[in-house]
Amino acid sequence: DAGVIQSPRHEVTEMGQEVTLRCKPISGHNSLFWYRQTMMRGLELLIYFNNNVPIDDSGMPEDRFSAKMPNASFSTLKIQPSEPRDSAVYFCASSFEGLTSTLHFGNGTRLTVT
Amino acid sequence: AQRVTQPEKLLSVFKGAPVELKCNYSYSGSPELFWYVQYSRQRLQLLLRHISRESIKGFTADLNKGETSFHLKKPFAQEEDSAMYYCALVAPGQAGTALIFGKGTTLSVSS
Repeated sequence: DAGVIQSPRHEVTEMGQEVTLRCKPISGHNSLFWYRQTMMRGLELLIYFNNNVPIDDSGMPEDRFSAKMPNASFSTLKIQPSEPRDSAVYFCASSFEGLTSTLHFGNGTRLTVT
Repeated sequence: AQRVTQPEKLLSVFKGAPVELKCNYSYSGSPELFWYVQYSRQRLQLLLRHISRESIKGFTADLNKGETSFHLKKPFAQEEDSAMYYCALVAPGQAGTALIFGKGTTLSVSS
């Protein structure tokens, strides 16, 4: 298994542009998580899905952020419009049976908004 | 509210020295606690979980409910231990919760 796959690995965009980050979880995992990593705040949970249904999106910073999971093998995190303060590494992780299982992380997407 | 505190952003030690990465948590019940590690150019991955009471790569961590701590320890640090370490907590059995991470501690081991 290739593990959790995220794309793109790097994204550089200008302020105001729409950004879409993609994630393919490990096959068979039914929970998917989006985290944001910054020097100041460490790893912050943005949103997580269980069986494709959003369970907790309280970590999504603003309405500019949205996430979808149309099926068990794909999720997107969209930022529209993007701002420089959104610059961070965004991680996707998946697990089987969510709450206390081991999280398997992707390589992350490094987003730079200029 | 659940919270994980890692007071040190950076911990620098010499090879062979003991290491203790501090982690304190805030939770009213009995949480499950984890240490995750991110080596350079590798994915964030699970190092150990308290319910397993295991030693991984020479690291151990004991849950101290009285002090609400879950410090990560290793008696003799190696250069390959240099990495970012995250302490994490989850409230077991509660719907609508996920792993909450601390801000992380960078461990630097030099010779």
